[in-house]
Amino acid sequence: EVQLVESGGGLVQPGGSLRLSCTASGFSFSNYAMGWVRQAPGKGLEWVSGIGGSGAATYYADSVKGRFTMSRDNSKNTLYLQMSSLRAEDTAVYFCAKGSYFGSGTHFDYWGQGTLVTVSS
Amino acid sequence: EIVLTQSPATLSLSPGDRATLSCRASQSVSTYLAWYQQKPGQSPRLLIYDASHRATGIPARFSGSGSGTDFTLTISSLEPEDFAVYYCQQRNNWPPLTFGGGTRVEIK
Repeated sequence: EVQLVESGGGLVQPGGSLRLSCTASGFSFSNYAMGWVRQAPGKGLEWVSGIGGSGAATYYADSVKGRFTMSRDNSKNTLYLQMSSLRAEDTAVYFCAKGSYFGSGTHFDYWGQGTLVTVSS
Repeated sequence: EIVLTQSPATLSLSPGDRATLSCRASQSVSTYLAWYQQKPGQSPRLLIYDASHRATGIPARFSGSGSGTDFTLTISSLEPEDFAVYYCQQRNNWPPLTFGGGTRVEIK
């Protein structure tokens, strides 16, 4: 059974940093792209970033480029999202999602339960 | 960036009704379009990928069609558990991957 478990969310002040983690199980982690998708309260889905199976290539939405860094440790079956210079508009539930392919141009066939990030003073 | 426009924003129907949801792309996405269902407090669930392929475990009452810029998700006969929000997502022209704004299917 595929499982994705996010952690690391919480309350952070504007300008602060936070690192999200997503631990995967039930599939061959290194064979699939992964993504982070966020959902602001009461709003729709927004793709944040993606990474290929090898971790060599990463991609970001313009709204987070230069502030967020996505990475993966295939030896630990874990995905990360390092977030810095956080803004109020980054407040959202962040979902970790498994891609259906090795490359990042993918749809997402499994999703974690999400972790809430709140940016507020 | 490809913009996906979903319509209607809200669909009010009764159990047993047929639901027809639309997703229009600002430029061609070929058939690289997926549909997701999201219930309150839950994460999204993949229903349809590449326009017309049902994901694993998805009931046959869900079907997808379309290509280019116009796509449709059809639920042939609504079950009580189908009342939810539905999103489309394209993967033809990226980054970024983009989602539509969603259609809420509510009980009439």
